[in-house]
Order: sequence, then C-alpha cells, then structure tokens
Amino acid sequence: KAGVTQTPRYLIKTRGQQVTLSCSPISGHRSVSWYQQTPGQGLQFLFEYFSETQRNKGNFPGRFSGRQFSNSRSEMNVSTLELGDSALYLCASSATPGANVLTFGAGSRLTVL
Amino acid sequence: GQNIDQPTEMTATEGAIVQINCTYQTSGFNGLFWYQQHAGEAPTFLSYNVLDGLEEKGRFSSFLSRSKGYSYLLLKELQMKDSASYLCAVANFGNEKLTFGTGTRLTIIP
Repeated sequence: KAGVTQTPRYLIKTRGQQVTLSCSPISGHRSVSWYQQTPGQGLQFLFEYFSETQRNKGNFPGRFSGRQFSNSRSEMNVSTLELGDSALYLCASSATPGANVLTFGAGSRLTVL
Repeated sequence: GQNIDQPTEMTATEGAIVQINCTYQTSGFNGLFWYQQHAGEAPTFLSYNVLDGLEEKGRFSSFLSRSKGYSYLLLKELQMKDSASYLCAVANFGNEKLTFGTGTRLTIIP
C-alpha cells in the first residue's frame, strides 16, 4: 500500500512570501501530524489533525496553520516567511490520534532566501 | 515540559555492537519510541517501550528504565547500511504528541 506522500519535495521561497505544503496519509489513516526538522532543534511538533479537527498544536507562531480535508489529506501553510523557516517539514500519519507509531513521509524541504 | 538528551554523534565499526543512550525528563510518561532516519529520507519506526525491560527485534534491541528516565538502543552485527540518525521520542499522558530528541548520527566505518 502507498506510503505517506508529501508535495512538493523541494521549494525555494523568498522572505515575506507564503507557502502551502500537502500531505496524503496512508490509506485508512485518519490522523495526520506535522513536524519541522532543523539541524539544531531536531523534530519539533507543529500540529495534529484527526477527522478534520486540530487536536493538538505545538509552540509555533500563528503564521503556521493547517487543515485537514474529509479524505484525510492535510495541508499546512506558512505565511510571511522568515529565513528561520527554512527546514524540512515532515508529515506523519497514523490510524488513531495521539502518540502512536507514526509513518512519516519523505518531507518537503523549504528554503527561504 | 520535557527534556530529552542523546549524544550528537557516534562512530562504530562494521560487525561490532553499539549502544545509543537516551535520557529524558517528563511527567506522565507514556512510552518511548526509537526511529531511524537515513540522510534525506523519512524517519522509520524501530521500537516502542512502555514497560521496563528489553525489547528485542532482530539485530536491534531497546531497553527502558522508567525510574531512571533512561533508554538505550542496541545495534548488533553492525552493517554499513546502519549509518543513519537515530531519534528517541517520548510520549506522555495529557499531551498526546511525540517529543523528539535531536537525534544521534551514527557512522559505521569498515
């Protein structure tokens, strides 16, 4: 069965722009979590969605937002990009919400110039 | 809050054994996960411990001591393909998300 699919894989933006990243979970998985990965901070939790509802949110500014659709696909958006937003954004899915075994996608690498 | 510590880098020899340690401080501990992440790839699940003791899965084993806030991942018969980052992650009650350490980059040398 197909894994977690993230698009785009790579993108370059400039400061002040906004970006939307997409994640398609494993078929049948209804929980989607997003993480930001940087060399110094490791994986930092952004938010989790289950059945189109945000269940949990990390300590990121309001510029970071997300949503989930009825088919469990999820998007995250970052507005007014800053240089520090350059990172690998990982999406993970699981069958049930909460701290479970996560299956990660390969990530979207964002570079902000 | 939570605090998770792992060594930043380790080097080991092909065929040998290596132990990667993880210490954590958290309230309401509800399990510890280990993930492997090869460069440029997605993290993949290796093991899960919620009770004290050793969980063995082939060449990989994971140990947990809840009273000490300590876990380790043991890799035996090391292969070159084991060169990767190993991420320790903790779950706790009431905050249903995984909190990850910064990872240990393991390099296997011939």
